[in-house]
Amino acid sequence: AAGVIQSPRHLIKEKRETATLKCYPIPRHDTVYWYQQGPGQDPQFLISFYEKMQSDKGSIPDRFSAQQFSDYHSELNMSSLELGDSALYFCASSPLETSEKYNEQFFGPGTRLTVL
Amino acid sequence: GENVEQHPSTLSVQEGDSAVIKCTYSDSASNYFPWYKQELGKGPQLIIDIRSNVGEKKDQRIAVTLNKTAKHFSLHITETQPEDSAVYFCAASRDYKLSFGAGTTVTVRA
Repeated sequence: AAGVIQSPRHLIKEKRETATLKCYPIPRHDTVYWYQQGPGQDPQFLISFYEKMQSDKGSIPDRFSAQQFSDYHSELNMSSLELGDSALYFCASSPLETSEKYNEQFFGPGTRLTVL
Repeated sequence: GENVEQHPSTLSVQEGDSAVIKCTYSDSASNYFPWYKQELGKGPQLIIDIRSNVGEKKDQRIAVTLNKTAKHFSLHITETQPEDSAVYFCAASRDYKLSFGAGTTVTVRA
């Protein structure tokens, strides 16, 4: 079965640089979520999109922005990177609102971001 | 916001024994409670979930129970196998976004 695709899988950046993470949801999933997971920690919700509109916002820094495109893929843009931004970034997707499993979230393999 | 507490933080069991992980949540409006298994270097994998209109759900060796009154839910893994070794996260949701517990590292000893 198709899964959530994230790219790149690994990314190394210097402080103050920018980074763009991409997420391709499971086909026919229209909701995308972004999570940040620090070492030894649980995933923290950043932001979500439903039908290309921002649907909810969590602890996402102002330096970060995201959007969902017409093909439902999403990109997380991170600027002025700081050492503390080093983490695993996961994207998850959910089925259509009309599905009985509409709030099940399926996670991608993640992007490991290292800021030097 | 929602606050989810998870216990224990580590759990070591002998192969074939059962493992139980417990979580409590704070927001009585939460209505969806998934459990995720995360192996090293991988994304969380949804293994079972329960909705607030159900008290118990079972899928082969895995079962989840929910007590809405007490605001707690539990994961039960029976006949544990070495491949069950991983970090397990509980989560609670009322508006689609998930609030996770801190995780339980489960080690199954052969």
